[in-house]
Amino acid sequence: DVKVTQSSRYLVKRTGEKVFLECVQDMDHENMFWYRQDPGLGLRLIYFSYDVKMKEKGDIPEGYSVSREKKERFSLILESASTNQTSMYLCASSLTSTSPSYEQYFGPGTRLTVT
Amino acid sequence: AQKVTQAQTEISVVEKEDVTLDCVYETRDTTYYLFWYKQPPSGELVFLIRRNSFDEQNEISGRYSWNFQKSTSSFNFTITASQVVDSAVYFCALRRGGSEKLVFGKGTKLTVNP
Repeated sequence: DVKVTQSSRYLVKRTGEKVFLECVQDMDHENMFWYRQDPGLGLRLIYFSYDVKMKEKGDIPEGYSVSREKKERFSLILESASTNQTSMYLCASSLTSTSPSYEQYFGPGTRLTVT
Repeated sequence: AQKVTQAQTEISVVEKEDVTLDCVYETRDTTYYLFWYKQPPSGELVFLIRRNSFDEQNEISGRYSWNFQKSTSSFNFTITASQVVDSAVYFCALRRGGSEKLVFGKGTKLTVNP
């Protein structure tokens, strides 16, 4: 079974803090994704990475950056957390789209509260 | 542009009722893939099914069934004899061929009452 883990289930940070959310997958997937989920807005893609050190902006990258130094690990960074970044953050991974078995597998999520 | 619409925001049923969750998609691509995910209260999205645009066969897996109709751009999900454990938010998603990204609908929250 694919396993995607996220470093924290719940996180409380203060405005202005630098926040790191970590995601690790154990299935040698090429792609990794970061989403945020908000009531009424569904899932929105922040960034994704299709290879080590490669990244592409999603729909809402403002205020976020990412890092992928190893294939299995993808970090989301909030350079200076703000209250409007309070949300549920979901990490996912997948094989490349050329694979017949492409689907994204998700981690358990991190509920971040910025006060 | 691609879009997925799940018009039902919330559905509430009584256990053992059948329930259908609607999904309508928009795409100009001829090759695309459709997905359903389940998000139980624990928060983790669980993959349920993938369908490609060349395969319109309906699929049944236990109490779950999916009806894919290209003529109406719909990919509906039916749960037969619903159970309390089916309570969750269900997401429909679309991926164009060659793209790595999914476009999600806003989800339908299903509550199954005992």
